[in-house]
Amino acid sequence: GAGVSQSPRYKVAKRGQDVALRCDPISGHVSLFWYQQALGQGPEFLTYFQNEAQLDKSGLPSDRFFAERPEGSVSTLKIQRTQQEDSAVYLCASSLVVWGQAKNIQYFGAGTRLSVL
Amino acid sequence: TQLLEQSPQFLSIQEGENLTVYCNSSSVFSSLQWYRQEPGEGPVLLVTVVTGGEVKKLKRLTFQFGDARKDSSLHITAAQPGDTGLYLCAGARTSYDKVIFGPGTSLSVIP
Repeated sequence: GAGVSQSPRYKVAKRGQDVALRCDPISGHVSLFWYQQALGQGPEFLTYFQNEAQLDKSGLPSDRFFAERPEGSVSTLKIQRTQQEDSAVYLCASSLVVWGQAKNIQYFGAGTRLSVL
Repeated sequence: TQLLEQSPQFLSIQEGENLTVYCNSSSVFSSLQWYRQEPGEGPVLLVTVVTGGEVKKLKRLTFQFGDARKDSSLHITAAQPGDTGLYLCAGARTSYDKVIFGPGTSLSVIP
């Protein structure tokens, strides 16, 4: 497809369950970002990949959150032992250039809405 | 405390009216971006401003970056129902800083 694709679009999890969220970036995009968007708020940065290297994970809220991009393309955000406060929309964005370069335009996917009961 | 504040939080106007939304910070940003996000979708970039005092126009939308690069405004002329959405400002203090988003202004344009 032409855009960033995220799956599933909706995920309902019981508290304590592990979940995995997938992001398919635009083909050829070097940079990949994950954000968390709580209801009524703007997105908050979670982590950044340049190709397969995770260069910044300072926004991950706890060690229950783990992200990977093993082949520099598809990325997975995994949340272990989900808690109610993890309920949010998780957005993925990709960019053609590396972080810090001019014209670093991020293209966002539609997100995965996670509800933890 | 939000690094980027946006006002108003909610705005409901009639089709054809003009409006301005604001993005403010106590910090200096090397660049500011404006996004529009529709329900169930990700944010879509509208514009990036990088120079203090810069004004950019995109059809009926006018974006301004403050002289001190701490604030920005978005003015919409003759609003249309298709303008409905969440308007987010986002900034980076340096080229290598992570992008920080404001909480957004939710705009509803009533036909």
